[in-house]
Amino acid sequence: EAQVTQNPRYLITVTGKKLTVTCSQNMNHEYMSWYRQDPGLGLRQIYYSMNVEVTDKGDVPEGYKVSRKEKRNFPLILESPSPNQTSLYFCASSLARLRETQYFGPGTRLLVL
Amino acid sequence: QKEVEQDPGPLSVPEGAIVSLNCTYSNSAFQYFMWYRQYSRKGPELLMYTYSSGNKEDGRFTAQVDKSSKYISLFIRDSQPSDSATYLCAMSANDYKLSFGAGTTVTVRA
Repeated sequence: EAQVTQNPRYLITVTGKKLTVTCSQNMNHEYMSWYRQDPGLGLRQIYYSMNVEVTDKGDVPEGYKVSRKEKRNFPLILESPSPNQTSLYFCASSLARLRETQYFGPGTRLLVL
Repeated sequence: QKEVEQDPGPLSVPEGAIVSLNCTYSNSAFQYFMWYRQYSRKGPELLMYTYSSGNKEDGRFTAQVDKSSKYISLFIRDSQPSDSATYLCAMSANDYKLSFGAGTTVTVRA
């Protein structure tokens, strides 16, 4: 089954404790992206990747890091989480560009205390 | 000022009505325009994709882009209760970096 998986689905952590949210797709997609969703603000893109070792900033990259060492994986790293990073995070992938359908993961709900 | 402005609603219409949604934007470099639909507790799904100005129709959905006015619209004809969702406009200058509107919550009453 074609899918995008994210782990963990729910996470409660404390300020400053480094964490990684994993994202994996099994469709051999070139394009992958991370978004956060907050009430009243809609979705905001954090980082995107056009292919292995090619990443670029979205609208809200501050406080986040990403890497794309393998085509199927695109982890999101929070080196020193803060309460304003409490949010619902979505990973997505598409064949090559936004014009192709993006497949979204189930979401990761993060609470930073 | 946000790059993409979208009225969050909520919007409530009777079944069979036409739903009209719109967004305005300030970045003249945007040339790829999308509408996504998001059901509660789910990830968004792409509904419509338009390049540059013009109209695009897909079944009951019509997307319009007016680049001169920096204004895009989505119309849903013969609306159904299953159309109840949040609709997000999104735009890109390079087909990679994506900027979303805040989303409009739509309820279609049976």
